[in-house]
Amino acid sequence: DIQMTQSPSTLSASLGDRVTITCRASQNINRWLAWYQQKPGKAPKLLIYKASTLQSGVPSRFSGSGSGKEFTLTISSLQPDDFATYYCLQYDTYPWTFGQGTKMENK
Amino acid sequence: QVQLQESGPGLVKPSQTLSLTCTVSGGSITSGPYYWNWIRQHPEKGLEWIGYVYYTRSTEYNPSLKSRVTMSVDTSRNQFSLQLRSVTAADTAIYYCARGYSSNLVPWYFDYWGQGTLIIVSS
Repeated sequence: DIQMTQSPSTLSASLGDRVTITCRASQNINRWLAWYQQKPGKAPKLLIYKASTLQSGVPSRFSGSGSGKEFTLTISSLQPDDFATYYCLQYDTYPWTFGQGTKMENK
Repeated sequence: QVQLQESGPGLVKPSQTLSLTCTVSGGSITSGPYYWNWIRQHPEKGLEWIGYVYYTRSTEYNPSLKSRVTMSVDTSRNQFSLQLRSVTAADTAIYYCARGYSSNLVPWYFDYWGQGTLIIVSS
């Protein structure tokens, strides 16, 4: 299985901060990566697919980049609604696998 | 807008079979380019993809669960289902159904999810 490793596991940040989460794949996944946001008691919500394509309705402060084995999710200016846990998903090779998650906390 | 809703027993005894159904509304389960997934999340832990079923009844399962999993689709009811056999406490999790988007018949990401249902395996 392809292992997806996110860093950091926890990120403490303040409103207005620019924050970046990294996701590393154990092998090349081209650009077949998605990012999800999950809030407590809710299902994950799709933010970005194909590494950098913003899902319809997602605020433009979210952006994704990368290819191959290293990817990043950036929030340009952290808003109150952004405190959540973020997961990456690789859909290059079965079985599809998720990162372990990055919890965004209010500093 | 498409909506998905899981339904199931909540509590399952060890060694029994877990059966879940996902009802899709706001769109037909037979409309491409979509395929239908089950994903689970162990308490306070990460996400695990279980597998998918396409409306043609083709399937793909996670090898870690393949020997115990069956997925099916009921196009007349716009539903798809998961059966997980011989459950243990390790199968206690929130189970989500999710729609997958495909391009040129190649499955891609999950775009819509159900709210999830907690399944506890306990005697």
